[in-house]
Amino acid sequence: DAGITQSPRHKVTETGTPVTLRCHQTENHRYMYWYRQDPGHGLRLIHYSYGVKDTDKGEVSDGYSVSRSKTEDFLLTLESATSSQTSVYFCAISYRGTGELFFGEGSRLTVL
Amino acid sequence: DQQVKQNSPSLSVQEGRISILNCDYTNSMFDYFLWYKKYPAEGPTFLISISSIKDKNEDGRFTVFLNKSAKHLSLHIVPSQPGDSAVYFCAATDTDKLIFGTGTRLQVFP
Repeated sequence: DAGITQSPRHKVTETGTPVTLRCHQTENHRYMYWYRQDPGHGLRLIHYSYGVKDTDKGEVSDGYSVSRSKTEDFLLTLESATSSQTSVYFCAISYRGTGELFFGEGSRLTVL
Repeated sequence: DQQVKQNSPSLSVQEGRISILNCDYTNSMFDYFLWYKKYPAEGPTFLISISSIKDKNEDGRFTVFLNKSAKHLSLHIVPSQPGDSAVYFCAATDTDKLIFGTGTRLQVFP
């Protein structure tokens, strides 16, 4: 198993509150990704990182920000959560940035 | 606009028969295609991949076919087993990220 842990695994919050999800890896992989999974939409890329302090937007980045201050941690922040951000969030890592990704177990977020 | 599409949301196959999962894409610049398998409450796991310069890749019971002229790839599982019941995502590489399809739920029944 790739060494990826996501926290928290489950969270319920209220609209308008800030939320931060953490992804931690022990593999020293350069690339890290945040995806969300929703019925009918599959997996959609939110943001990704190709190195410390190097990040870029994915296809559904509005309402989300990320930070990567060290290789092993990639944080996803919802500054003001909305009900449309209720989803399962997956972190993934990759050594090369193409091809195979290793995924975490997911973080289920419910915004009431 | 969905660059990677899986038009069948679900597929039901009898154990021992062949499962064929399909995927279409729009971007001819994709250079690598992958299939992922996902069980409930778990993260997706890599299954098999194919480079755009090939038209077939086989790994045990799993074979992926790529038809570049049609911008179509398929995953064949032979023989299908109950443990193959899961959601299958196809994906394509776009520079340094993966673009996923919407997924097909495969159910293999006895």
